[in-house]
Amino acid sequence: AQRVTQPEKLLSVFKGAPVELKCNYSYSGSPELFWYVQYSRQRLQLLLRHISRESIKGFTADLNKGETSFHLKKPFAQEEDSAMYYCALRGTSGTYKYIFGTGTRLKVLA
Amino acid sequence: DVKVTQSSRYLVKRTGEKVFLECVQDMDHENMFWYRQDPGLGLRLIYFSYDVKMKEKGDIPEGYSVSREKKERFSLILESASTNQTSMYLCASSPRQLGDTQYFGPGTRLTVL
Repeated sequence: AQRVTQPEKLLSVFKGAPVELKCNYSYSGSPELFWYVQYSRQRLQLLLRHISRESIKGFTADLNKGETSFHLKKPFAQEEDSAMYYCALRGTSGTYKYIFGTGTRLKVLA
Repeated sequence: DVKVTQSSRYLVKRTGEKVFLECVQDMDHENMFWYRQDPGLGLRLIYFSYDVKMKEKGDIPEGYSVSREKKERFSLILESASTNQTSMYLCASSPRQLGDTQYFGPGTRLTVL
């Protein structure tokens, strides 16, 4: 079954500390992986996608096919990073569906 | 600028009422989606459409139907609203190409009394 798992509902870190938001997936094939973010009172928006191999707002995520993971990392958390983060998967054949994880709320403490 | 709009930010309805949620995108995207967002459950796909008049069930279609008569508009219909349909409803659109992301609307918070 296709599935995206985000094991942490809430992650609290201090400002300046490293952050890692975990995402594991189950998919028979080569999926596309995304991270979406929702700041308070804002709409859900794309943060980054694995095919771009880019760093956005200091965040990076590497697709590890062996471990079927796509963890989101940032070396030094900022207060403005506090938000809800969703990992999502999209199949690459025959479907336009996206599958989202249950989300992790990141709180960066001063 | 990319734009997905939803007809209402907040909606309060009574049990048994028929409810229409409208979504419009101005990006000429082929794909459109309806999700509900609930704490602890994340985003769950209700229905999606990959072309005009085409639709496919998502993971939780029960109690919902959709309509896509024009490319830019995708409507979610609750035939007979129930209290367990109280939720935040998100609309999204995306191009068909692989690698392209979804663009989300601001959401409609529906309360069914």
